[in-house]
Amino acid sequence: VVWMTQSPSLLSASTGDRVTITCRMSQGISNYLAWYQQKPGKAPELLIYGVSTLQSGVPSRFSGSGSGTDFTLTISCLQPEDFATYYCQQYSSFPWTFGRGTKVEIK
Amino acid sequence: EVQLVESGGGLVQPGGSLRLSCSAFGFTFSDYAIHWVRQAPGKGLQIVSAISSDGGTTFYADSVKGRFTISRDNSKNTLYLQMSNLRTEDTAIYYCVKDPRRSGWSNYFEYWGQGTLVTVSS
Repeated sequence: VVWMTQSPSLLSASTGDRVTITCRMSQGISNYLAWYQQKPGKAPELLIYGVSTLQSGVPSRFSGSGSGTDFTLTISCLQPEDFATYYCQQYSSFPWTFGRGTKVEIK
Repeated sequence: EVQLVESGGGLVQPGGSLRLSCSAFGFTFSDYAIHWVRQAPGKGLQIVSAISSDGGTTFYADSVKGRFTISRDNSKNTLYLQMSNLRTEDTAIYYCVKDPRRSGWSNYFEYWGQGTLVTVSS
């Protein structure tokens, strides 16, 4: 099983801020890394796959980077609709696993 | 428009059984692998099971192996999850999720249903 450490668990920020969320894997996963956004009472939505490929329709202020075991999600200029919980997911080997989530809240 | 609609959730006692269904619309169901992902109340996400487009290959998380069975009926565009010997720790929202790769596996999750809540409690 690939274990994931996602940090921070809570991030307080203001509209316009640049924020970064990290995920560290217990072993290398090549580029099999995705990011999701989830708002309260809703299903998660795919933001990024393959470490850095934006899903269709996702704003360009979202970006992903990293390799091997360390990966990041960056939101370059936080918008009001971006306050949500974010999850990373590895799909290198079954069971596909998720990070514990990062809640981005309004400071 | 791709739509996945889950049903069959509810309240069940520990040791009981439940069958979830997921009806698919807006794409050629028989071309895509489908996954079940669950989320306990206020908690994170966990893969439960997955099935290939033709139903010939299945995967199960260790926590449900031997208790849950995934299946599909491509003639009805419907996915199933038969859950037996349910435990309190199975309480969660269960999401049906479409794999993005046609006739294969990508294993990240492109389209999600709205979820169905399963509560295991006496």
